[in-house]
Amino acid sequence: DAMVIQNPRYQVTQFGKPVTLSCSQTLNHNVMYWYQQKSSQAPKLLFHYYDKDFNNEADTPDNFQSRRPNTSFCFLDIRSPGLGDAAMYLCATSRANTEAFFGQGTRLTVV
Amino acid sequence: DAKTTQPTSMDCAEGRAANLPCNHSTISGNEYVYWYRQIHSQGPQYIIHGLKNNETNEMASLIITEDRKSSTLILPHATLRDTAVYYCIVRVWDKIIFGKGTRLHILP
Repeated sequence: DAMVIQNPRYQVTQFGKPVTLSCSQTLNHNVMYWYQQKSSQAPKLLFHYYDKDFNNEADTPDNFQSRRPNTSFCFLDIRSPGLGDAAMYLCATSRANTEAFFGQGTRLTVV
Repeated sequence: DAKTTQPTSMDCAEGRAANLPCNHSTISGNEYVYWYRQIHSQGPQYIIHGLKNNETNEMASLIITEDRKSSTLILPHATLRDTAVYYCIVRVWDKIIFGKGTRLHILP
């Protein structure tokens, strides 16, 4: 059974049109992560939540925001997607200092 | 920034042991070494982790040097399904930063 679920698997959005990607988990983990992965590159951490505490990476553009309304759900909002934001977006969960579980990702296309 | 250095790519014959090295010379005493792999178009998958002792599970073995400055992931009998990018990560508490990883090719 899938434990970290990302919806949708594929998302097409228009240049400049806000888009939201979602992630849910059934593991009751207190840490949730969002990564951006471009072709042939390693996943790049955008931000993560430790419980309700939001931790933004210093080089994450302001265009990327996140919400975590409860333990199970986390959202990635891209306020004005540009062509350079086309990528795979990965969600992951863990307890601190234990293994992380990743979703299958959402592949975002910007047209 | 990632605190690990790995070879860009490696080849291994099917059925042989694959030994993937990782350097983490600046590791701190409370930082764990984690290994993940990513098969094409899938999310990364956890393999194994350790602090200072060698570890083994159903997927792999992890050998950590005594000074903890390097480690080796061992896949004992590589199969074609082990073709993936393998990431060595040094982690403390809640943050997980990926380095560039090693692309492992299993040759039939």
